[in-house]
Amino acid sequence: AQSVTQLDSHVSVSEGTPVLLRCNYSSSYSPSLFWYVQHPNKGLQLLLKYTSAATLVKGINGFEAEFKKSETSFHLTKPSAHMSDAAEYFCVVSVRGATNKLIFGTGTLLAVQP
Amino acid sequence: EPEVTQTPSHQVTQMGQEVILRCVPISNHLYFYWYRQILGQKVEFLVSFYNNEISEKSEIFDDQFSVERPDGSNFTLKIRSTKLEDSAMYFCASRSQPNTGELFFGEGSRLTVL
Repeated sequence: AQSVTQLDSHVSVSEGTPVLLRCNYSSSYSPSLFWYVQHPNKGLQLLLKYTSAATLVKGINGFEAEFKKSETSFHLTKPSAHMSDAAEYFCVVSVRGATNKLIFGTGTLLAVQP
Repeated sequence: EPEVTQTPSHQVTQMGQEVILRCVPISNHLYFYWYRQILGQKVEFLVSFYNNEISEKSEIFDDQFSVERPDGSNFTLKIRSTKLEDSAMYFCASRSQPNTGELFFGEGSRLTVL
């Protein structure tokens, strides 16, 4: 069965410093992986997706993620955090099938300190 | 930019009452979904809908739940007799293609059952 594990429930960084949000996946086949972001009182917005093309995926707002099969990881990074990055981030795997439903991780709450 | 819209944004109801949550998916999308997030827990898949019928549902989606696309634009989730544990944020989502199309989420409807 497909699943994702987000290793940190909370991450706090200072503005201008790098961001690393960790995600490990479990999948019996080559997975489709996503990162979604949820700002307070907002919906879920797609940051980026990996669908077996390039292993380094660039997303919106300067975020990127690298698919590492040997480590079963799909960590999200950003070189320099901005105050507006404060939000909850979800690592997500798609279950292959007729509906390609999404399985969400538990989320990582990113705080950005001035 | 097209978006998925949900109403109401927040509904408070008494246990045992019927609730209908409404969604207007993006107009050219064909695949529709409901997810929910109980406070402090993961976002969970409830149901997917295509071609006017349920294509997949989770074990959460029991006989108390139903979905409908009554008029070609709205997509509704009905809970017949709400329970305390139905309190959650409910997200509607849609996509144009099942395999590669991005899943677009609405901002959610928060349901509070008293």
